[in-house]
Amino acid sequence: AQTVTQSQPEMSVQEAETVTLSCTYDTSESDYYLFWYKQPPSRQMILVIRQEAYKQQNATENRFSVNFQKAAKSFSLKISDSQLGDAAMYFCAYYQGGSEKLVFGKGTKLTVNP
Amino acid sequence: AAGVIQSPRHLIKEKRETATLKCYPIPRHDTVYWYQQGPGQDPQFLISFYEKMQSDKGSIPDRFSAQQFSDYHSELNMSSLELGDSALYFCASSPYYKYEQYFGPGTRLTVT
Repeated sequence: AQTVTQSQPEMSVQEAETVTLSCTYDTSESDYYLFWYKQPPSRQMILVIRQEAYKQQNATENRFSVNFQKAAKSFSLKISDSQLGDAAMYFCAYYQGGSEKLVFGKGTKLTVNP
Repeated sequence: AAGVIQSPRHLIKEKRETATLKCYPIPRHDTVYWYQQGPGQDPQFLISFYEKMQSDKGSIPDRFSAQQFSDYHSELNMSSLELGDSALYFCASSPYYKYEQYFGPGTRLTVT
């Protein structure tokens, strides 16, 4: 079964600085998708960024970008110019076609200090 | 843009009672997913439906059942509620041809 590991339970960053959240996963498949979801105190699950495994180019969405290393099975999220509104729990998630479910990591709680 | 709608947003039930959670997917999304998130936990997949047929099943207790209706909305029925069923229940939706799942705001179920 696929597993997703987030080794950093908590991280903190100063406002306007850059932070990187780590995620590794285990799979024997070659075709899959990876996501980062943000869960602020409201508990809403918000899709931040997505990466298709067949794409070599790293995904970017405004201040959010990923470093996807397929061979190493690593999928880190970089947040640039951190803002107070970025404070949230961040979940890394894996999806494979043929199985409908998202498999989540345990999450990383990000604190943004003013 | 329209989002996934879940109702009710909060629900308080007693042990052994029954609860029904409803989910209205984003328009033109034909696939619905249900997840359970316990306190301090990551979301766990329960069940999914595509075109009114169950498409995948996770760790959903036998006391729970779900279905998707002709208008694509879905309902999660939970019977013989236990204290351990207290959690945030998410519904998510996606169009069949895409793999991205968009989550609703969740229903917070408290069993006393």
